[in-house]
Amino acid sequence: GQQLNQSPQSMFIQEGEDVSMNCTSSSIFNTWLWYKQDPGEGPVLLIALYKAGELTSNGRLTAQFGITRKDSFLNISASIPSDVGIYFCAGQPIQGAQKLVFGQGTRLTINP
Amino acid sequence: DAGVIQSPRHEVTEMGQEVTLRCKPISGHNSLFWYRQTMMRGLELLIYFNNNVPIDDSGMPEDRFSAKMPNASFSTLKIQPSEPRDSAVYFCASSWRGTGDSPLHFGNGTRLTVT
Repeated sequence: GQQLNQSPQSMFIQEGEDVSMNCTSSSIFNTWLWYKQDPGEGPVLLIALYKAGELTSNGRLTAQFGITRKDSFLNISASIPSDVGIYFCAGQPIQGAQKLVFGQGTRLTINP
Repeated sequence: DAGVIQSPRHEVTEMGQEVTLRCKPISGHNSLFWYRQTMMRGLELLIYFNNNVPIDDSGMPEDRFSAKMPNASFSTLKIQPSEPRDSAVYFCASSWRGTGDSPLHFGNGTRLTVT
C-alpha cells in the first residue's frame, strides 16, 4: 500500500531553534495535512494543504505542499517548550481519498 | 464546540473478555473513522463510515473486531474475544464529506490494555 516516509524520526533541539521536518512518498496525494499529538491526547490538526505548491502559515508554523505532489514539509520557527510532542504528516491519496495515509511521526524534544 | 468524544479513556481487561469502545462524532460530520495506534505500526485505519454506512473495513485485523454506527451521533468498536496483542490506543475521528471536505478531527482515544 501507499506509504509516507517521514523524517527525522526524532529531534532534540534547544529552545528558540527552528525546526524542519518532511514527508515524502512515491505516490501523488491530493491533500497534505500536518498533525501534532501531545501525550494522552489525539492528533490535532495544525495545517491543511490542498494545492501543489501551496505555502501556508499558522503562527510560527509554515508548511508547503510540494510541486510534485509527492512531498511536504513543516517548519517551526523559534521553538518554545509547548512545541514538544509528536508531529505527523498525513496524505490524502487520489484514489480512496478518504483513507488518509499517515507518516510514522517526528518526536520533538526541546531543551530549555 | 465539543470535539469527538470517546469513552472510556482507559480500559483494562483480561484476555478473552469482550471490549466495547464508544465514540460520538462532531455534530454535523457525516464520516467517522476508527484508527488504532501502536509504537510498532503507528496509526492504522481500521474502518470508516459515510452517512452511517460502513465503506471500507479492510483494515479490521480479524473477525474478532466489529464496528457499528446505528446513527449519526454514535459508533462502537467491539473486540470479542480480546487478546493481549490488541493492546493499543484506539482513536475515533470524524469529518465532513461533501462540497468542500473537512479535515479529520480526532478524539482523545481509548487506551486498551489486555492482560
